[in-house]
Amino acid sequence: ETGVTQTPRHLVMGMTNKKSLKCEQHLGHNAMYWYKQSAKKPLELMFVYNFKEQTENNSVPSRFSPECPNSSHLFLHLHTLQPEDSALYLCASSQGQGSENEQFFGPGTRLTVL
Amino acid sequence: LAKTTQPISMDSYEGQEVNITCSHNNIATNDYITWYQQFPSQGPRFIIQGYKTKVTNEVASLFIPADRKSSTLSLPRVSLSDTAVYYCLVGGDTSYDKVIFGPGTSLSVIP
Repeated sequence: ETGVTQTPRHLVMGMTNKKSLKCEQHLGHNAMYWYKQSAKKPLELMFVYNFKEQTENNSVPSRFSPECPNSSHLFLHLHTLQPEDSALYLCASSQGQGSENEQFFGPGTRLTVL
Repeated sequence: LAKTTQPISMDSYEGQEVNITCSHNNIATNDYITWYQQFPSQGPRFIIQGYKTKVTNEVASLFIPADRKSSTLSLPRVSLSDTAVYYCLVGGDTSYDKVIFGPGTSLSVIP
């Protein structure tokens, strides 16, 4: 247990569906992150939020829409995804933003787009 | 953020000491060096962090030479459960500091 939870753990969706991934951290951290990890590839940073404000969007397609209502919760809204979006989606949090701050990762959501 | 270079893969027998070196020639004065471990289908987990010289914890040691242009993660007496991908990150503590996980080093421990 890292103090970061993600739901659902597994998700199968069609290309026309709309779904949301949820992340919650119980660590009192100020920064939260979404990563994508495709099979046998490095982690790709998608979005960063610091004190609820988005500080980084790593050229992510608009079919991925993040939302951070407070410092403890982070959502990733999905719509009209493509099969190549199938991947492990990881959420992380840290006390502050920047590599010096230890990131705590959730277990991930395994997404399959049919 | 300083770019890092690591070996793509390494093999080791159980019980041996494993050293994984990361090159970061453009490391900035305020940058720290952080290592993470990732098992398949799990998120990465922090292992160790250092700024200079040597840092040791219950899991690993981190050796950083005086010029800080490289660092070596040392895993003593590895076991099969140490088979994982190990990532080296270099960066500071600012909102402008991008967090970039490179390909990492895939370590396979052989019985």
